Amino acid sequence: DADVTQTPRNRITKTGKRIMLECSQTKGHDRMYWYRQDPGLGLQLIYYSFDVKDINKGEISDGYSVSRQAQAKFSLSLESAIPNQTALYFCATSVPGQGNQETQYFGPGTRLLVL
Amino acid sequence: GENVEQHPSTLSVQEGDSAVIKCTYSDSASNYFPWYKQELGKRPQLIIDIRSNVGEKKDQRIAVTLNKTAKHFSLHITETQPEDSAVYFCAVFDQGGKLIFGQGTELSVKP
Repeated sequence: DADVTQTPRNRITKTGKRIMLECSQTKGHDRMYWYRQDPGLGLQLIYYSFDVKDINKGEISDGYSVSRQAQAKFSLSLESAIPNQTALYFCATSVPGQGNQETQYFGPGTRLLVL
Repeated sequence: GENVEQHPSTLSVQEGDSAVIKCTYSDSASNYFPWYKQELGKRPQLIIDIRSNVGEKKDQRIAVTLNKTAKHFSLHITETQPEDSAVYFCAVFDQGGKLIFGQGTELSVKP
C-alpha cells in the first residue's frame, strides 16, 4: 500500500548508536502504530498514537521512543541500539470503524540489523 | 490485558487440501477478530474479519468461525493453492482500542 511509507527500508547500525525510523502516510488516518516482528513472536506493539497529541506505550516499549510530528508522520527512535533490537519494524495506520471494526494498513517495513 | 494464542506455528498441506488455524483469547468483552496474511517479504494485509455478533463469515475459499463461549476463533482455507502460502496472523481488538496479534502461522502449500 503506497499510502504508508517507511524510511529507511534497510539499516545496519552498531551497538550504542542512536537510530530513527520514519513513517509517513497520505491516508489521512489519525491512528498510527509501530510494531516489531520477530520469527515466532508475531507482531508486537511498541507504541501507538490515536492522534497528534496522544502517545501510548505498547507491549514492548522499553528501549524505544516515538514522536508524532504531524497527523501524517510518526517516528520511532532507538536511543542506544542493542543487538536484540535486530528485527523487522512495521508502521501501520487505521481509522476507527463502526463497532470497533477497523483495518490496519501497514507500511513496507524496515529491516534493522544491530551489530 | 488481552492475551492471544495462535496454533499451529507451522502448517504444511498438499495443494487442494484444507487448512485450519486456531486462536484463543482471554478477554470475553473483545468483539472484533481480524485475520491478516503476510506473503514472503511483504507487509501484512487484512483478508477477513468477524464481529462477535456473527458466528461464521465466508469469502470465497476462506472462512472464519467464532465461538465466543469458548473464546476461540478459527481461519479455514479450502482448496488450498500455492499462492495461499504465507504467514497468517489472527488478532483481537482489545478494550484499549488496539489490536493484539497472535504469534503467526506459517502455511506452506505443496504442489
